[in-house]
Amino acid sequence: KQEVTQIPAALSVPEGENLVLNCSFTDSAIYNLQWFRQDPGKGLTSLLLIQSSQREQTSGRLNASLDKSSGRSTLYIAASQPGDSATYLCAVDTHFNKFYFGSGTKLNVKP
Amino acid sequence: NAGVTQTPKFQVLKTGQSMTLQCAQDMNHEYMSWYRQDPGMGLRLIHYSVGAGITDQGEVPNGYNVSRSTTEDFPLRLLSAAPSQTSVYFCASSYGAATNEKLFFGSGTQLSVL
Repeated sequence: KQEVTQIPAALSVPEGENLVLNCSFTDSAIYNLQWFRQDPGKGLTSLLLIQSSQREQTSGRLNASLDKSSGRSTLYIAASQPGDSATYLCAVDTHFNKFYFGSGTKLNVKP
Repeated sequence: NAGVTQTPKFQVLKTGQSMTLQCAQDMNHEYMSWYRQDPGMGLRLIHYSVGAGITDQGEVPNGYNVSRSTTEDFPLRLLSAAPSQTSVYFCASSYGAATNEKLFFGSGTQLSVL
């Protein structure tokens, strides 16, 4: 069974800092990996999707990388802002139509 | 474009009661799924469907039933609610798993079972 782990569970940084969130998974047989953002009391919004054949994806200040062979992905947030405060989750799309999620990293960006 | 719509947003049940959580999407997505989110445990897959008339079990299917009679709707039924089913439930859809398409989520249903 696929296990997805996110470290750290929580992170507090001052505004303007660059930061890295980590995601690891145990089974490298994945189709893609997605990073999501979840605001309190809301659903999840997909930020970036990296296909298994890709190494990274970028959207604005966000950059996600994927090393499928080692079972690792990172989400890099440049020049963090208070509006980036949220919980960030990663999920892997495996065979048999099943997505497995990590438990998330709760990010607080202080003004 | 409404996306994925879940109702109700909040629900309180007594142990043993049954209810249906509704999920509808207007994006013509073939793949729909239900998750529960518990503190510190991330999202866990309950049931999923790859098209009308096709459903299958996820990680934690016990106590839940689903059906998919149309492409748009994917209701989740709690047969006899238990306190262990207190959770936040999310419905999600996409064009299909293994298609490298993003997963879209509803805003969730917070369920308390007393």
